[in-house]
Order: sequence, then structure tokens, then C-alpha cells
Amino acid sequence: DIQMTQSPSTLSASVGDRVTITCRASQSVNSWLAWYQQKPGKAPNFLIYKVSSLRSGVPSRFSGSGSGTEFTLTISSLQPDDFATYYCQQFHTYPWTFGQGTKVEIK
Amino acid sequence: QVHLVQSGAEVRKPGASVKVSCKASGYTFIKFVVHWVRQAPGQGLEWMGWINAANGNTRYSQKFQGRVTFTLDTSASTAYMELNSLKSEDTALYYCARDFEYCSGGSCPGYWGQGTQVTVSS
Repeated sequence: DIQMTQSPSTLSASVGDRVTITCRASQSVNSWLAWYQQKPGKAPNFLIYKVSSLRSGVPSRFSGSGSGTEFTLTISSLQPDDFATYYCQQFHTYPWTFGQGTKVEIK
Repeated sequence: QVHLVQSGAEVRKPGASVKVSCKASGYTFIKFVVHWVRQAPGQGLEWMGWINAANGNTRYSQKFQGRVTFTLDTSASTAYMELNSLKSEDTALYYCARDFEYCSGGSCPGYWGQGTQVTVSS
């Protein structure tokens, strides 16, 4: 299975901060990568597909980049609604696998 | 508006089976794949597989192969996940999710149900 490793596991930040989360794949997934946001007690919310394509309705402060084995999710100016856990997911090779998650908490 | 409503919480003993339902609305059910993803307490997301609502074809994660079965009732726009030979490690929140229309088919769980808690305990 392709292992997805996110860093950091926890990130403390303030409203207005620029935040970057890294996701590394154990082998190349080309551009077949997605990002999800999950708030406590809620189902995940699908944010970005194919590395950098924002789902309709996702604020433009979210962006994704990368290719191959290294990817980033950036929030340009953190808002109160963004405090949550973020997961990357590869859909290059079965079984689809997720990163372990990055919790973005209030500093 | 895509909406997935799952069945209620279940408690089972080790060795038993559980069947979770996922009723879809707001779109043409047979046009999209339905994924199943689980999340153990305090843990991350684990993809279990998908079922193609157009033809019933399935793709299971090897981890669950032989123990999980996905089925459909297209007349009721409902997908089902049955997990057998339950162990305590299967205690988790089980989600169904419809595929996202702009990913390759069967790739991205884009619209999620609310989750069904399955607890396995003696």
C-alpha cells in the first residue's frame, strides 16, 4: 500500500496566519491527490482534488500544490472556521490511502 | 443537493455481522460510485472500497476482502455495507460517500453521509 505521511501532526496558529501542511507519499502518485477537512464530530469535507483543483464553494484562501511524492495544502490567511483536522488522500493505486491527519489548532 | 443518510448506531458481539445502510437523494443514484470509509476512535480515515451503483461492480481494499460485502437497492437509492466476523478493532464510525463528479470514477469520496457508529464489544 502507498503510505501517506503528513507533517506536522499538530499545528498551532493564529487567525490571519499563513499555514502550510505537507503530505508525502511513499511512492509517486502523480497528481492523484485530494485534501479533506474534518471538524470534531462531523464527516470529512472534500476540499481539493487532483492536487490543486478547488471544489466549488471552497474559499480561495485554500490552495494545493505538488506532484509525484510531495504535496502541500496552504491556507493563505487562517480564519476561525479553518481550525480542524486535514487529511490528504491518494487515488493513484489501490487501496486508496489517507494521511494520518494534521490538526490545526488555535495558538 | 446531494444528501446521504445512514442508518443508526449498532452494537455487536465479536464474531457477529453488521449491515449499514446509506440512502441517497438529490442526484441520479445509478450514475455514481459509493465509497465506504471508516474511522476508528481518535484515528484517521481508512478507505474500505466502493460499489458502482450503475452495475454493482465492487472494489474492496485487500484488508477487508472476504469479510465485507457492498450491495445496492437501486429502487430505493440505497447502498449497504455488511461486515462479518467482527472484532473489537472494527469499532469505528463507518461513512458512506458519493464519488466526486470531477475525479476519475471511483476516486474521490466527495459527498459524505453522517456516519454510523459500530461498536463491537462482548
